[in-house]
Amino acid sequence: KNEVEQSPQNLTAQEGEFITINCSYSVGISALHWLQQHPGGGIVSLFMLSSGKKKHGRLIATINIQEKHSSLHITASHPRDSAVYICAVRANNAGNMLTFGGGTRLMVKP
Amino acid sequence: DAGVTQSPTHLIKTRGQHVTLRCSPISGHKSVSWYQQVLGQGPQFIFQYYEKEERGRGNFPDRFSARQFPNYSSELNVNALLLGDSALYLCASSRQGAYEQYFGPGTRLTVT
Repeated sequence: KNEVEQSPQNLTAQEGEFITINCSYSVGISALHWLQQHPGGGIVSLFMLSSGKKKHGRLIATINIQEKHSSLHITASHPRDSAVYICAVRANNAGNMLTFGGGTRLMVKP
Repeated sequence: DAGVTQSPTHLIKTRGQHVTLRCSPISGHKSVSWYQQVLGQGPQFIFQYYEKEERGRGNFPDRFSARQFPNYSSELNVNALLLGDSALYLCASSRQGAYEQYFGPGTRLTVT
């Protein structure tokens, strides 16, 4: 079993829909990252969380440390949100090393 | 400020050859991490360097090595290339003591 599991693996939505991507992990962590990867490979860091909730524009990320679970929400989705969204955790005592989930491929149709 | 830069962008090598990938961190960042991303999967940690010393190593064979230079740029070397080494190699930099990592655009390596 992978240390970081994401669901769903693939997601297709209509423009304007509310989207939720989930991430579960099995180890104690000091931080969790949500990353966005567009075709071509470049990765952009969206959020880094250690507790609670963060919001940036139409994106919201939450984390429940006790349940070892995080969610990424996209409100009023748009075709330009189409990308792979990756959850990554920094395990306790792992320095700066990140362990990644397999990613969620999101396609938003107009 | 420029972001993390990597070179080359794309590379095609033959089995058994050697490859060197390069990464320049964001100015002021002293930590560089390398990741391998095979098509369709999430990235896998290879190495982390901080202040020119190896601070972490993932589950990769000894064919993989890296180093960090006094200007904090880094090289990833892979010897005796295998077909399975074909992947996107990502470099990320971060400041001293901080956890936010900034990723470069990656080097796509194809081994034929």
